Amino acid sequence: QKEVEQDPGPLSVPEGAIVSLNCTYSNSAFQYFMWYRQYSRKGPELLMYTYSSGNKEDGRFTAQVDKSSKYIYLFIRDSQPSDSATYLCAMSRILTGGGNKLTFGTGTQLKVEL
Amino acid sequence: NAGVTQTPKFRVLKTGQSMTLLCAQDMNHEYMYWYRQDPGMGLRLIHYSVGEGTTAKGEVPDGYNVSRLKKQNFLLGLESAAPSQTSVYFCASSSTRQGASNQPQHFGDGTRLSIL
Repeated sequence: QKEVEQDPGPLSVPEGAIVSLNCTYSNSAFQYFMWYRQYSRKGPELLMYTYSSGNKEDGRFTAQVDKSSKYIYLFIRDSQPSDSATYLCAMSRILTGGGNKLTFGTGTQLKVEL
Repeated sequence: NAGVTQTPKFRVLKTGQSMTLLCAQDMNHEYMYWYRQDPGMGLRLIHYSVGEGTTAKGEVPDGYNVSRLKKQNFLLGLESAAPSQTSVYFCASSSTRQGASNQPQHFGDGTRLSIL
């Protein structure tokens, strides 16, 4: 079983829709939770970064962490065609000696249609 | 502000050839990382560095070597390329702001490597 599971999609929604993405994880050692957006032939771009359970909002994006169920969510309000990308969840634990190790989901491909 | 820059962007190699992928960051970050991204596998950590002159193995280090001679640069080497190393390679860096190791990682745009 993978430490982080993410539905690969593809997910297609009309412009203006609310998008809900999620990941589940199995390792309780994960301390920090992130969502990255990756456009085709580009590197992952950090969208949201959270620690502990609860919600964090940034513009049209809301990240939610539920440690009791080991799920994390990303909600996108008023979705736009420019939101079409692959969304990667990532979970972090501190490495001995410094730095942190990210464990990624495989990504969900999102397409927002006009 | 360039952030994390990777060179080259594309490369085709023959089995057995060697090459070095270059990563440079201008954010004065202490930590640097090399990942590979394969379909259905997500990003996996190859090697990482917590400072100039130090490196450590990640989860898929076999067949790769790294060096961090300068704080801003992190090099990934393939001594004898194999078809299984065909992948997209990403470099990332993170800071130690307030002495914490939990700062988010910032990625370059990748090197697409094909090994025939």
